[in-house]
Amino acid sequence: DGGITQSPKYLFRKEGQNVTLSCEQNLNHDAMYWYRQDPGQGLRLIYYSQIVNDFQKGDIAEGYSVSREKKESFPLTVTSAQKNPTAFYLCASSIGGTRRLFFGSGTQLSVL
Amino acid sequence: SQQGEEDPQALSIQEGENATMNCSYKTSINNLQWYRQNSGRGLVHLILIRSNEREKHSGRLRVTLDTSKKSSSLLITASRAADTASYFCATVTNRDDKIIFGKGTRLHILP
Repeated sequence: DGGITQSPKYLFRKEGQNVTLSCEQNLNHDAMYWYRQDPGQGLRLIYYSQIVNDFQKGDIAEGYSVSREKKESFPLTVTSAQKNPTAFYLCASSIGGTRRLFFGSGTQLSVL
Repeated sequence: SQQGEEDPQALSIQEGENATMNCSYKTSINNLQWYRQNSGRGLVHLILIRSNEREKHSGRLRVTLDTSKKSSSLLITASRAADTASYFCATVTNRDDKIIFGKGTRLHILP
């Protein structure tokens, strides 16, 4: 099955803790994206990567970090500097050209 | 920053009626895309319209694009209960590789 896999589905963070959200794709897409969605709101871009070993900040990158060591993987770390991390996090990859997005099923992050 | 702004924020209609949602954006685009999201799930791509296109159809979906007004509309004809979801527009600009979403329209189809 081709697609994007996000894990875990639910994640809880303690105060001062860093947590990492996993995103893996087997679609052979070059570009990958991380979005944050707050209840009843749209998606806001955190980070994106067009190629391996390169990534750019989106509109709300503060308190987050990413890596892109492999084409298939784009993990997102929510650091302790992110003071309001509770949200639904969505990972996506895209085809070149049109940039049509394929989304994972999301990770709900909550603070204990 | 959010490039697209959908209107209305929420819409309730009777099953069988048509639903129209609008999206406005700020900068020049390469293409505009519409996505659907069921509660607590990832988004699913519905349709894409390029900046040099004015109208596009896919099944019960019809999308229009007016680049002079920087706006797009999504029409869902003969709505069904299964169409209940949130709908988002997303813009791909000529300037960079960002894909920016609006805040979405929550559509509720009444039986």
